[in-house]
Amino acid sequence: DADVTQTPRNRITKTGKRIMLECSQTKGHDRMYWYRQDPGLGLRLIYYSFDVKDINKGEISDGYSVSRQAQAKFSLSLESAIPNQTALYFCATSAGLPNTEAFFGQGTRLTVV
Amino acid sequence: AQSVTQLGSHVSVSEGALVLLRCNYSSSVPPYLFWYVQYPNQGLQLLLKYTTGATLVKGINGFEAEFKKSETSFHLTKPSAHMSDAAEYFCAVSKGGGGSNYKLTFGKGTLLTVNP
Repeated sequence: DADVTQTPRNRITKTGKRIMLECSQTKGHDRMYWYRQDPGLGLRLIYYSFDVKDINKGEISDGYSVSRQAQAKFSLSLESAIPNQTALYFCATSAGLPNTEAFFGQGTRLTVV
Repeated sequence: AQSVTQLGSHVSVSEGALVLLRCNYSSSVPPYLFWYVQYPNQGLQLLLKYTTGATLVKGINGFEAEFKKSETSFHLTKPSAHMSDAAEYFCAVSKGGGGSNYKLTFGKGTLLTVNP
């Protein structure tokens, strides 16, 4: 089983719909992240969480919200999806030291039509 | 604030040729530096990282990178490209120097194409 699992892997939704992307991890890490990947823009941080009670906005949090349901679960919501939120979304997790690597899920490809 | 610049969004090499992917960083404190690779339809996986100590770091699949503080660079190299190296490569920096409020900042990525 993968260390970081994202569901769904692909999703097409309509403008204005609410959608939730889910992430679970088996690494036992406290830190979890949501990134968005767009061609030519690399990965941009949406939200990150240092533990269940500590959630922080990243550089592009507008239009998104998150919930840390447990140490192992971190979900990303689009309250009212818009076409420019069409992207590849990645969840990641890391241990509590800056010199440790992040482990990524396989990604969720979201298309908003 | 920390940042990463990857020079060249697309690099094309012939099979067997040297691979050189460039990364420059900006950080107000000693950085921790990472290279990640993303194969098609997959997530990112770690190639190598520099934290402290030896400035030449070896990673998986024959890749290595050298941390050069004077040049604020962390370029990725491989002596001989293989078709299987075709992927997108991301350089990332994490704040060093202590403290808990760190996070990874990524460059925009370099797509490596390997021609037969």
